[in-house]
Amino acid sequence: DGGITQSPKYLFRKEGQNVTLSCEQNLNHDAMYWYRQDPGQGLRLIYYSQIVNDFQKGDIAEGYSVSREKKESFPLTVTSAQKNPTAFYLCASSISDSRPLHFGNGTRLTVT
Amino acid sequence: EDQVTQSPEALRLQEGESSSLNCSYTVSGLRGLFWYRQDPGKGPEFLFTLYSAGEEKEKERLKATLTKKESFLHITAPKPEDSATYLCAVPNLPSGTYKYIFGTGTRLKVLA
Repeated sequence: DGGITQSPKYLFRKEGQNVTLSCEQNLNHDAMYWYRQDPGQGLRLIYYSQIVNDFQKGDIAEGYSVSREKKESFPLTVTSAQKNPTAFYLCASSISDSRPLHFGNGTRLTVT
Repeated sequence: EDQVTQSPEALRLQEGESSSLNCSYTVSGLRGLFWYRQDPGKGPEFLFTLYSAGEEKEKERLKATLTKKESFLHITAPKPEDSATYLCAVPNLPSGTYKYIFGTGTRLKVLA
């Protein structure tokens, strides 16, 4: 079945360490996204990529970095510069702009 | 400013007690409205897309409707397994921005 796979499901890191979250899709979607979800807040866009080798900052990109070397993969690195990294991170994809997003099952990152 | 507002924030129903969730939007030139279901600790699961006022979509006990200002998710004779957070989202303007506006969701609890 086609879908989006995020790994790991849970991630624990010490403050000051960079950490990379994996996102792979086999839906053949061109666009991929990273969102952050915090309790009581709507989903907030971190980065998105329309095509391979291209990506754009979202609304809260500071302290994060991404790459898009393959159509299927869009990893997110949470750097030590991100002030409040503990959150639930969601990867999504869509066929194109304005089409429904399809989400993975998320990675819960805890930084202590 | 474009906005999506969902109400109520939380809703408790007895099994079999039908009700509706509301999603109000202020985006002009709507290019689609999406409903999602999100279970705790998981990513949002796509339910419906609505594109024009008067459109309706159904899936099991759920029916989504759309007017020029809002969308309703009607739940008929709900069961405990319908308990989840329901999110709505709209694509942001202008087209080509790859941005979506999400509501903060309605947490639905159906009691047996």
